[in-house]
Amino acid sequence: DAEITQSPRHKITETGRQVTLACHQTWNHNNMFWYRQDLGHGLRLIHYSYGVHDTNKGEVSDGYSVSRSNTEDLPLTLESAASSQTSVYFCASSEQGGADEQFFGPGTRLTVL
Amino acid sequence: GDSVTQMEGPVTLSEEAFLTINCTYTATGYPSLFWYVQYPGEGLQLLLKATKADDKGSNKGFEATYRKETTSFHLEKGSVQVSDSAVYFCAYNDMRFGAGTRLTVKP
Repeated sequence: DAEITQSPRHKITETGRQVTLACHQTWNHNNMFWYRQDLGHGLRLIHYSYGVHDTNKGEVSDGYSVSRSNTEDLPLTLESAASSQTSVYFCASSEQGGADEQFFGPGTRLTVL
Repeated sequence: GDSVTQMEGPVTLSEEAFLTINCTYTATGYPSLFWYVQYPGEGLQLLLKATKADDKGSNKGFEATYRKETTSFHLEKGSVQVSDSAVYFCAYNDMRFGAGTRLTVKP
């Protein structure tokens, strides 16, 4: 069965370190998304991609970067982790835009000390 | 800009009670509208969707009707169960989500 996976599921790191969160989907979807979920803020879009070599900034992209070298993967990098980036991160994918549902990964809980 | 506003929670109901979670949107054009559900410790999953005005999405006893005149997509269920306890998100097109409403159903 097709799926979307995230790793690691839990991560503790220190302020200033570079961290990369992995996202891998086997749906062969063109679109991939990264969100963070925080109490009181719901789901906020960090970055998204509509295909290989395409990346776009979302509403909370500062301090994060992504690259899309193939269809299956969209890793999220925190260049220099900050305590404000402690959150739960979700990756999602969809076949097209607009009317298509998004399929979500199980999430990565990141703690920055 | 475009946005989604949903009823703030948390919402606590007794089993078999009627549920309404309000959702309104501001957007140009005619977006597709979605309700997602997040069970504890999991990612979001699609509950239902509607792609054009007057469409009704339904799944697992939940319903929502796309109302263009009131720019709304309210979620309803006639009789909730303990297993419906979760966080519910309204969304439109891809990428725009409401803040989420936590529902707790007590036996």
